[in-house]
Amino acid sequence: DAKTTQPTSMDCAEGRAANLPCNHSTISGNEYVYWYRQIHSQGPQYIIHGLKNNETNEMASLIITEDRKSSTLILPHATLRDTAVYYCIVRVYFGNEKLTFGTGTRLTIIP
Amino acid sequence: GAVVSQHPSWVICKSGTSVKIECRSLDFQATTMFWYRQFPKQSLMLMATSNEGSKATYEQGVEKDKFLINHASLTLSTLTVTSAHPEDSSFYICSARGFEQGQGYTFGSGTRLTVV
Repeated sequence: DAKTTQPTSMDCAEGRAANLPCNHSTISGNEYVYWYRQIHSQGPQYIIHGLKNNETNEMASLIITEDRKSSTLILPHATLRDTAVYYCIVRVYFGNEKLTFGTGTRLTIIP
Repeated sequence: GAVVSQHPSWVICKSGTSVKIECRSLDFQATTMFWYRQFPKQSLMLMATSNEGSKATYEQGVEKDKFLINHASLTLSTLTVTSAHPEDSSFYICSARGFEQGQGYTFGSGTRLTVV
């Protein structure tokens, strides 16, 4: 699976949009971009995934650059409950291969 | 949506004893389950991959005789930490993916193991 690079930490004011970047310059054509988050002392929670088109669901939006070498997760109106570690992972869509976690971005929402 | 139940959520045991952690997929059949370990302020580290009805595949550096994994059915996998020692104290998390889970992997809520 392709490696990803994320900033170690970020702060965001409550109510503002949180934009979390991820670089995956070695991504292959059949690899998707997945985002998970882990709130303290809980298991990771799936947020969103995409291949090359921008995606949106009830939790977030995912913007993938045209060359697919980077992406941004957007939490449109951050709340205190969004404070967590966010992981960007790239891997193929099908199959039961392992999901490898990097160090992620620790996002802190400031009141 | 897909739900994975992990039990217990926390456990304290004496050094030298064994501890079993259960991971159940509640509303789907999980052909493959994964076990992770997470130390404080670190990322999740994959320990092993288990497929129903076959032996688990362990990551390099993980002792298979110490961390016994059983995946006897499509909805249940267990991790047994044998002869636990204080250095085994950690947060253990399971994950599962089923036949038709298109959105990704579902994680359990984790088990906090403290060995005293």
